[in-house]
Amino acid sequence: DIQMTQSPSSLSASVGDRVTITCRASQSISSYLNWYQQKPGKAPKLLIYAASSLQSGVPSRFSGSGSGTDFTLNISSLQPEDFATYYCQQSYSTPRTFGQGTKLEIK
Amino acid sequence: EVQLVESGGGLVQPGGSLRLSCAASGFTFSSYSMNWVRQAPGKGLEWVSYISSSSSSIYYADSVKGRFTISRDNAKNSLYLQMNSLRDEDTAVYYCARVRYYYDSSGPNWFDPWGQGTLVTVSS
Repeated sequence: DIQMTQSPSSLSASVGDRVTITCRASQSISSYLNWYQQKPGKAPKLLIYAASSLQSGVPSRFSGSGSGTDFTLNISSLQPEDFATYYCQQSYSTPRTFGQGTKLEIK
Repeated sequence: EVQLVESGGGLVQPGGSLRLSCAASGFTFSSYSMNWVRQAPGKGLEWVSYISSSSSSIYYADSVKGRFTISRDNAKNSLYLQMNSLRDEDTAVYYCARVRYYYDSSGPNWFDPWGQGTLVTVSS
């Protein structure tokens, strides 16, 4: 199975900050990497697919990059509604695996 | 509007069974592969099972293999998860999610949308 490791596990930031979350795969997954946002009590929501493609309707302050084993999710200027938990997920092989999550909290 | 609505969760004793359903609307259900993903209380996301559009390909996580069965009824626009021999560690919110592909089934793919989830609690 491909292991996905996110860092950091939690992060405190302020509105307006630029934030970077990283995700590392235990083997190369090309660009088969997705990012989801989850708010408490809600289902995950797709943000970025295929490493760098922005899902329709997602604000342009979100961006993704990387290929192979190392990936990043960037939020250029944090808004109050961005405080949530973020998960990366590989779609290269079965079983599909997720990172452990990064909880983004208000400083 | 594309929508997935899960149902069938509840409280069940260890060793018991439960059948989850996921009703799809707003898209041609028979054209899409589907998944079940679960989330234990306070924990991260765990993929559970996959079924292709025609049910010709089915996969399970090792943690549920031999106990859970995924199925679908394209005429009813519905996805199912039959859960037998339930354990305490199966307690979770269960989500159904549609698979989208970048170009074809060999390329990048992702889960979108997800249903709102249904809670399964295994406890005596």
